[in-house]
Amino acid sequence: EAGVVQSPRYKIIEKKQPVAFWCNPISGHNTLYWYRQNLGQGPELLIRYENEEAVDDSQLPKDRFSAERLKGVDSTLKIQPAELGDSAVYLCASSLDWQGDLTNYGYTFGSGTRLTVV
Amino acid sequence: AQKVTQAQTEISVVEKEDVTLDCVYETRDTTYYLFWYKQPPSGELVFLIRRNSFDEQNEISGRYSWNFQKSTSSFNFTITASQVVDSAVYFCALSEAESNSGYALNFGKGTSLLVTP
Repeated sequence: EAGVVQSPRYKIIEKKQPVAFWCNPISGHNTLYWYRQNLGQGPELLIRYENEEAVDDSQLPKDRFSAERLKGVDSTLKIQPAELGDSAVYLCASSLDWQGDLTNYGYTFGSGTRLTVV
Repeated sequence: AQKVTQAQTEISVVEKEDVTLDCVYETRDTTYYLFWYKQPPSGELVFLIRRNSFDEQNEISGRYSWNFQKSTSSFNFTITASQVVDSAVYFCALSEAESNSGYALNFGKGTSLLVTP
């Protein structure tokens, strides 16, 4: 079974340019998360999707960040325009919903996209 | 408020020493999950263990062991006979089932472990 797939692996852009990251979750995982990991820190949640719906985007800087999850499968995270402080690793993760059986709860991260804004 | 505290920022040990990484968490939920992840220099997050709040049984997997104590809200991780390949940043994380977080993970700031030959 393929894991969570993210692309690109690395991205270097100049400030004020747009950038987009793509994520393909594990098949059957209806919950998808985007996290940002700043250097020397743990990942922090940006947005959570349940199927197509963004159910928690409270930590997403909406002035420049946007995300979508078409058809409840793949997701794209966009930054426009990028700022120097956006340099970080952007991680996508997916999980099953808890169906009342704790053993069913699975949570998988992709390899991340390392963004450098210069 | 930080839900997961990893007080040790950096630890350096010599190969074959045992090392314990501390994790203290905070939650009001009765149902929650605790995780440990390893992040080697290559950057990917490698899943090590998941524990649910109803299972306080300690676990051993090879050289790794975990001590979950609800009384002290701790979920510590011990590496026995450390090896150079264990060098990485280790993250403890909490996922709360009863809040509206949808199982989003709250990570600690990580402990950087360096194992030298």
